Amino acid sequence: DTEVTQTPKHLVMGMTNKKSLKCEQHMGHRAMYWYKQKAKKPPELMFVYSYEKLSINESVPSRFSPECPNSSLLNLHLHALQPEDSALYLCASSQDQGGTDTQYFGPGTRLTVL
Amino acid sequence: GESVGLHLPTLSVQEGDNSIINCAYSNSASDYFIWYKQESGKGPQFIIDIRSNMDKRQGQRVTVLLNKTVKHLSLQIAATQPGDSAVYFCAENTGGFKTIFGAGTRLFVKA
Repeated sequence: DTEVTQTPKHLVMGMTNKKSLKCEQHMGHRAMYWYKQKAKKPPELMFVYSYEKLSINESVPSRFSPECPNSSLLNLHLHALQPEDSALYLCASSQDQGGTDTQYFGPGTRLTVL
Repeated sequence: GESVGLHLPTLSVQEGDNSIINCAYSNSASDYFIWYKQESGKGPQFIIDIRSNMDKRQGQRVTVLLNKTVKHLSLQIAATQPGDSAVYFCAENTGGFKTIFGAGTRLFVKA
């Protein structure tokens, strides 16, 4: 199984809402990533978890809160987002060899903030 | 700052021809480079990678070339097919888990 799954596929939320994005993998990977991708732009790294501990936070605003409850799951909690946060949010995982290993991406969650 | 960029935003090729997608990187300390393919509505898909101690690596119908002297990376696709139509990103690992993606090239394959 080389699949990373993400739910929901699409999400529309208001600026006062609280929602969560979910990511799951069963490849035994110990590194998991969140990326943000705006239309016609490359993915931008947000967070990295290694062995369920936050390893990288790319100065992401606190309205985005990651969580790694176990080695297979990664969540991204959203609160008080702005319309400019509308984007495709991608989750990825890798075996955890310090970054020089293949990242497997999920299909993403298309987020629209009204 | 660190950046990975692509010379051409779009590339149009005839089916059956070879495609070459180019990429420039700026961080001479980067030691791992990856090419991804992203189709509409999907996440990036790994195509091929190369480490800095190599200058060429071949896969099935794809070849990656690395020129560290001029900090240039290229992806060659042989006998391009309609299914190859997508956006292609080069990416570099700048240390630890940090991967920086280039701007992307959209490949159109004409039948």
